[in-house]
Amino acid sequence: AQKVTQAQTEISVVEKEDVTLDCVYETRDTTYYLFWYKQPPSGELVFLIRRNSFDEQNEISGRYSWNFQKSTSSFNFTITASQVVDSAVYFCALSEEPLKAAGNKLTFGGGTRVLVKP
Amino acid sequence: DVKVTQSSRYLVKRTGEKVFLECVQDMDHENMFWYRQDPGLGLRLIYFSYDVKMKEKGDIPEGYSVSREKKERFSLILESASTNQTSMYLCASIPRGSSFEQYFGPGTRLTVT
Repeated sequence: AQKVTQAQTEISVVEKEDVTLDCVYETRDTTYYLFWYKQPPSGELVFLIRRNSFDEQNEISGRYSWNFQKSTSSFNFTITASQVVDSAVYFCALSEEPLKAAGNKLTFGGGTRVLVKP
Repeated sequence: DVKVTQSSRYLVKRTGEKVFLECVQDMDHENMFWYRQDPGLGLRLIYFSYDVKMKEKGDIPEGYSVSREKKERFSLILESASTNQTSMYLCASIPRGSSFEQYFGPGTRLTVT
């Protein structure tokens, strides 16, 4: 069975500090996909990134960066120079091989609430 | 733009009532999902459907049922609402076989009193 663990339930930082969100996953599949979603106070889930299990390259998008390490089953997310607008709940999620029957259902971690203070 | 809509943002119901939560997507996606979100537990899958009239149980189906009579519409039914079903409910859709992101609706915050 799949499992995603986000050990940090809440992180509070002051604006311009960097913040790293941890995500550890478990799966028996060799093909799988990892995602990060952001949920601002408005409640809608906003997709941030998708990574497949064969691509271990780190990725940077503006102030956001992701570190995928298969050896430790981790997919961590860093916000550099945080801003108040980054305040949200962030979810890490995992899906298996999508060609399996309904294989693209997601298993979510518990979420990490990030509070950025001005 | 993919659009997933849910019938209500906020809903208050009484214990024992039958509750319908509706989800509609406009992108002809085969797969649709209902999740429940609770603090510290993330989103948990209640039911999903990969075709009209097809449904599969997710991780927490007890107390819920679903209906998929048309491709674009996926309904979640609480046969007899209970206070422990007070939660945020999110619907999502994705094309069959896609490995890309699911598209989520805005969520329905249900309170059962």
